Amino acid sequence: QVQLAESGGGVVQPGRSLRLSCAASGFYFSSYAMHWVRQAPGKGLEWVAFISYDGSNKYYADSVQGRFTISRDNPRNTLFVQMNSLTVEDTAVYYCAREWFGELNNWFDPWGQGTLVTVSS
Amino acid sequence: EIVLTQSPATLSLSPGERATLSCRASQSISRYLAWYQQKPGQAPRLLIYDASKRATGIPARFSGSGSGTDFTLTISSLEPEDFAVYYCQQRGNWPQFITFGQGTRLETK
Repeated sequence: QVQLAESGGGVVQPGRSLRLSCAASGFYFSSYAMHWVRQAPGKGLEWVAFISYDGSNKYYADSVQGRFTISRDNPRNTLFVQMNSLTVEDTAVYYCAREWFGELNNWFDPWGQGTLVTVSS
Repeated sequence: EIVLTQSPATLSLSPGERATLSCRASQSISRYLAWYQQKPGQAPRLLIYDASKRATGIPARFSGSGSGTDFTLTISSLEPEDFAVYYCQQRGNWPQFITFGQGTRLETK
């Protein structure tokens, strides 16, 4: 069974850092690109970052460019995001999601259960 | 950036009724569109990909249509478990062009 499990969320002060993890199981992690997607409380979904299957390519949303770093450890089947210089606007549930191959393009399937990051003084 | 506009924001229907949700793109995205369902306290779930293909395990009452700029998610006969928020999502050739619609809340009338 394909599963993703995020961890590492919590309450952090503005300007501080936090690292989230996503443990993958039930599939060959090293073959799939991965994403982080976030959802502010009561709001919609926002794509955050992408990493290719081997970590050689990374892309970020403008809102986190230069502050967040996505990475992966394939032997440990784990995805990470290092979040620096956090602001209150980064408060959200953070989901990791596998990139899944449709026929025409790639989509998010499945998603982890999410981990809540609250940035507050 | 391609903007996706979903309508209506909220749709109030009863079980057994037909639901029609709309997603409009600010420019043509061919058939590069997916629909996700999100229930309270849960992660989103892929329903429809490539505009019209049902994901694994998704009931046949869910269908997607459209191409270019106008897309529709139809639920033919609502079941109690279908009341949720639905998001459309598009993806260009590069991951940094991924965007979501603002969502449609499907609620019980």
